[in-house]
Amino acid sequence: SAVISQKPSRDICQRGTSLTIQCQVDSQVTMMFWYRQQPGQSLTLIATANQGSEATYESGFVIDKFPISRPNLTFSTLTVSNMSPEDSSIYLCSVGGVNGYTFGSGTRLTVV
Amino acid sequence: GENVEQHPSTLSVQEGDSAVIKCTYSDSASNYFPWYKQELGKRPQLIIDIRSNVGEKKDQRIAVTLNKTAKHFSLHITETQPEDSAVYFCAASRDTGGFKTIFGAGTRLFVKA
Repeated sequence: SAVISQKPSRDICQRGTSLTIQCQVDSQVTMMFWYRQQPGQSLTLIATANQGSEATYESGFVIDKFPISRPNLTFSTLTVSNMSPEDSSIYLCSVGGVNGYTFGSGTRLTVV
Repeated sequence: GENVEQHPSTLSVQEGDSAVIKCTYSDSASNYFPWYKQELGKRPQLIIDIRSNVGEKKDQRIAVTLNKTAKHFSLHITETQPEDSAVYFCAASRDTGGFKTIFGAGTRLFVKA
């Protein structure tokens, strides 16, 4: 299965600032997925990133708040913009889908 | 909308006992049902999965059963060990009419030594 490198692993950010999370996959993949996991909660899909097209956002998530880049088949970034304490969460990228997901190690974000 | 209900939310068992976690899904187009284990502070990892054309699948101490008519599936762990302690998530996926996966809320399993 694919190996995903995600960084940063954690960060503490001031409210109003932005943080960009990067994921690098060791093989070419069509779809990459960005999830949010709040403490003690399940996984919520933010958006699906396809190379060469706009990301598809789930209900409750918008591009202005969570812009995504997908410049090639092995890399994607998620930016959390204009952060507030409510954005404190773990953010995970993943690949796969119809045969299960492989997740990155996650980014633990704390907004103060 | 579609959802996946998972029960129980917390499960505590004695080492060596069995543990059963149950999930019910609503999207009749779901055809793939993975289970993930997430240890504290780590990423979720796929431990077993089952497709809609199969009723049961087993891998050593873990097994999954699927009842497509009733739209529910279960994870069974036998001879539990302390290292089985984790949060387990079920999920239901479909790949028709657009790919979609919905996760259950998770079950926190404690295995007492």
